[in-house]
Amino acid sequence: DIQMTQSPSSLSASVGDRVTITCRASQSINRYLNWYQEKPGRAPKLLIYAASSLQSGVPSRFSGSGSGTDFTLTISSLQPEDFATYYCQQTYSTPWTFGQGTKVEIK
Amino acid sequence: QVQLVQSGAEVKKPGASVKVSCKASGYTFTSYDINWVRQATGQGLEWMGWMNPNSGNTGYAQKFQGRVTMTRDTSISTAYMELSSLRSEDTAVYYCARAPSSGWSTGTFDIWGQGTMVTVSS
Repeated sequence: DIQMTQSPSSLSASVGDRVTITCRASQSINRYLNWYQEKPGRAPKLLIYAASSLQSGVPSRFSGSGSGTDFTLTISSLQPEDFATYYCQQTYSTPWTFGQGTKVEIK
Repeated sequence: QVQLVQSGAEVKKPGASVKVSCKASGYTFTSYDINWVRQATGQGLEWMGWMNPNSGNTGYAQKFQGRVTMTRDTSISTAYMELSSLRSEDTAVYYCARAPSSGWSTGTFDIWGQGTMVTVSS
């Protein structure tokens, strides 16, 4: 199975900050990488697919980059509604696997 | 609008089975795979398997092989996930999620159900 490792596990940031979350795969996954946002009591929401494609309706302050084994999710200017947990997911091969999550908290 | 609506919370005893439903609306049910993902309280996301509603073909994560069965009823656009031999570690929220059946985005979950809490307790 492909292991996905996110860092950091949590971070504290202020509204307006630029936030970067990284995700590393245990083997090359080309650009088969998605990012999801999860808020308490709600289902995850797809933000980015294929490493850098913005899902319809997602604000442009979210962006993704990377290929191979190293990937990044960036929030250019953190908004109050962005405080949540973020997960990466590889879709290179089954079983589809997720990172352990990064919780973004208010500073 | 496109949505997946799941059945309600369940409480089961160890050793029992649970069957969760996922009703699709707003799109052609047979055009997308249905996947199941679970999340224990305070934990991360765990993929369980997929089903193609058109063919009925399935694929399960090895961890759940032999315990999980994914089926569908196309006449009512509903997918089902049954998990047997339940144990306390199966206590979690179970989600169904839609994904393209082929191409680059296979395994990409663009629509999720609201989740079904399954509690396993004696």
